[in-house]
Amino acid sequence: KQEVTQIPAALSVPEGENLVLNCSFTDSAIYNLQWFRQDPGKGLTSLLLIQSSQREQTSGRLNASLDKSSGRSTLYIAASQPGDSATYLCAVNFGNEKLTFGTGTRLTIIP
Amino acid sequence: NAGVTQTPKFRVLKTGQSMTLLCAQDMNHEYMYWYRQDPGMGLRLIHYSVGEGTTAKGEVPDGYNVSRLKKQNFLLGLESAAPSQTSVYFCASSYWPENQPQHFGDGTRLSIL
Repeated sequence: KQEVTQIPAALSVPEGENLVLNCSFTDSAIYNLQWFRQDPGKGLTSLLLIQSSQREQTSGRLNASLDKSSGRSTLYIAASQPGDSATYLCAVNFGNEKLTFGTGTRLTIIP
Repeated sequence: NAGVTQTPKFRVLKTGQSMTLLCAQDMNHEYMYWYRQDPGMGLRLIHYSVGEGTTAKGEVPDGYNVSRLKKQNFLLGLESAAPSQTSVYFCASSYWPENQPQHFGDGTRLSIL
């Protein structure tokens, strides 16, 4: 079964620190991997999409990496801010027109 | 440019009642999706569509029906609501899923009493 796992479920970090969120998946034959942000009571906002042929993508303070051989992706957030507090979800397209989501990491940045 | 709009935002139903959730997108996307989000379960795909007039089952389709009569609209129907269908429902759309991100609506919070 194709699965996506995110550990830990929750993370608290002091403001200003750099942090890494983890995502693992069970099948290395993927089309792409996407990172989303979800604020309370809101929908998901796409942050970064990494194609199968890519190793990383960057947007501002965010950097996402992809290692298909080990079935892992990381989302690096530099110089964290209170506004970064949200739930971050990883989703994988295993090549069947659909995304399989992890259960997310709830991030709290402590001022 | 509204993106993905879901109607209604909140609804309370009694067991056995029926209702339709509407999703509208103005980005000319081919693909549209309905998910439900439950605590500890993540997002699970209910049904999806790869174009006008098409529908397909996702991971948890039982108890739901969908229609895509127009490219911009994707309707999710509950014929006889059950308490197990209490959830937050999200609609999403995209161009080609191989290389384009999905765009989400703000969700519909549905409670079945």
